[in-house]
Amino acid sequence: DADVTQTPRNRITKTGKRIMLECSQTKGHDRMYWYRQDPGLGLRLIYYSFDVKDINKGEISDGYSVSRQAQAKFSLSLESAIPNQTALYFCATNNGPYNEQFFGPGTRLTVL
Amino acid sequence: GQSLEQPSEVTAVEGAIVQINCTYQTSGFYGLSWYQQHDGGAPTFLSYNGLDGLEETGRFSSFLSRSDSYGYLLLQELQMKDSASYFCAVRRATNKLIFGTGTLLAVQP
Repeated sequence: DADVTQTPRNRITKTGKRIMLECSQTKGHDRMYWYRQDPGLGLRLIYYSFDVKDINKGEISDGYSVSRQAQAKFSLSLESAIPNQTALYFCATNNGPYNEQFFGPGTRLTVL
Repeated sequence: GQSLEQPSEVTAVEGAIVQINCTYQTSGFYGLSWYQQHDGGAPTFLSYNGLDGLEETGRFSSFLSRSDSYGYLLLQELQMKDSASYFCAVRRATNKLIFGTGTLLAVQP
């Protein structure tokens, strides 16, 4: 079984709709991250959380919100989706001072 | 501000050696990481340099020079399966990563 899972894997929605992307991990890590990837732009950090009570904005948090429901679950919401939020979204986890981040398989979101 | 620069594309032949460079400009620098991503897949960790010098892991090596704000990833004995995108990422305080825009490596037979 995968250590970091994301649901859904693909989603097509319309402008103005509310969307939630979910991430779960079984690695027991405290730290979780949400990134978006656009062609030619690499990965950009949206939000990150170091424990259930800790939520921090990343580079590009406008238009997004997150919820850390439990140590193992971190959800990303788009309150009112717009076309330029069309991207590949990745969740990642790591633990403490260790550098390596473990990524989920990604969610491909298309906003029409 | 902060920025990372790496070549957008590199082409090499099977069995060869290729070097992917990364220069960075950032505050609060802790180290340089490298990730590999096959088309549409999840990025996977390759290496990390927290100190100056060379780190070797099998066919892959990574180098860091803090004084030059420069690092590179060296891939030896290239295989077709090494065709992928490679990202350098600066590790900053609080364990955040800032990624470069990636280098697409094409390995030809």
